[in-house]
Amino acid sequence: GAGVSQSPSNKVTEKGKDVELRCDPISGHTALYWYRQSLGQGLEFLIYFQGNSAPDKSGLPSDRFSAERTGGSVSTLTIQRTQQEDSAVYLCASRSSGRAGEQFFGPGTRLTVL
Amino acid sequence: GNSVTQMEGPVTLSEEAFLTINCTYTATGYPSLFWYVQYPGEGLQLLLKATKADDKGSNKGFEATYRKETTSFHLEKGSVQVSDSAVYFCALNSGGSNYKLTFGKGTLLTVNP
Repeated sequence: GAGVSQSPSNKVTEKGKDVELRCDPISGHTALYWYRQSLGQGLEFLIYFQGNSAPDKSGLPSDRFSAERTGGSVSTLTIQRTQQEDSAVYLCASRSSGRAGEQFFGPGTRLTVL
Repeated sequence: GNSVTQMEGPVTLSEEAFLTINCTYTATGYPSLFWYVQYPGEGLQLLLKATKADDKGSNKGFEATYRKETTSFHLEKGSVQVSDSAVYFCALNSGGSNYKLTFGKGTLLTVNP
């Protein structure tokens, strides 16, 4: 079946603008994660959604970052007032409830803040 | 907190050479351990995993054994191919309520013909 998809694949924006990144998880997967991959920091956890539970936002680096998951499926990561240090590849992953720990990753969105 | 340390790259090998990429970890509880691979231009893919001590994960000729006594999960392959050129990430989750992954920094492997 289809894997995790993300859009856009590339996004170039100017400092101070807001951006929205989209993730479509594998159908039926109840858990959804956002990670950030940057040269300096490697792969970092950002936020986790599981069903209707309150999300785990413990990895979000600042209050400029937020995410939502509508209808238990599609998720949007929003970065407000982007800064150059936000430049990174943003990865989404999903996991089914019956496969503890095995996460399936999307291709990522490469964000460049000028 | 949890952490993963893997050998710094880049690693350059000739085809058919033996590969080892070292990975050690610090974690609370009993983590599951993973190796993910990122081929050029592609997303992260799970390569192999082990969920308890002494388990051996294997896939595509790669192997790694969960060593609790040395807190290690080293990746090995007996004979690498050019197509194995990629970035390899060691990772763990310690379960809990979210199974979030903690990754190492990644190791770039280049295999030359």
